[in-house]
Amino acid sequence: GAVVSQHPSWVICKSGTSVKIECRSLDFQATTMFWYRQFPKQSLMLMATSNEGSKATYEQGVEKDKFLINHASLTLSTLTVTSAHPEDSSFYICSASRSQAFFGQGTRLTVV
Amino acid sequence: QKEVEQDPGPLSVPEGAIVSLNCTYSNSAFQYFMWYRQYSRKGPELLMYTYSSGNKEDGRFTAQVDKSSKYISLFIRDSQPSDSATYLCAMSLSNDYKLSFGAGTTVTVRA
Repeated sequence: GAVVSQHPSWVICKSGTSVKIECRSLDFQATTMFWYRQFPKQSLMLMATSNEGSKATYEQGVEKDKFLINHASLTLSTLTVTSAHPEDSSFYICSASRSQAFFGQGTRLTVV
Repeated sequence: QKEVEQDPGPLSVPEGAIVSLNCTYSNSAFQYFMWYRQYSRKGPELLMYTYSSGNKEDGRFTAQVDKSSKYISLFIRDSQPSDSATYLCAMSLSNDYKLSFGAGTTVTVRA
């Protein structure tokens, strides 16, 4: 089946720094990718829709200047958490679709 | 009211038992219904995919959708310890794969 690779799988950063998370579709082209956030024992919450070659569409309540999304090619979308703070610590997951939604393995971000 | 409601459990069953999971939803426009399995600190993997109302069976898994009641179910027969995971229901308005998820139900199958 199609594979979506997410990197890094975990990252620890200092408060105030920025962190970039990559999401790649390995064997298919994805014009649209999605970014989700998941808190412990809670569901996945859609943050934004990443569109190749155009601006991302953010869900209500998600700060677009805080969570920068770039979808520069048909196989790569990146999420940059800018000026990270401890409350940004979470599990971030991307998905790309080809007949079904395939999810990356997730990135656990810890901001200290 | 959440758009998708799912009892988080936890649910513990003996090996070989039938696991019954369900979700309710409020948006009658949802057309596509999915069940995902998620192991700890991993991304979700698709188990079942159903369009509109009806039943679908795949091996030990059966998914049911009742749009009139806004209720979906997943049954796991002959459960195994390897089925221990969190099960998430998800649904979407169209096949654009923009998904609304339930909270997930944590299942433990005891050997």
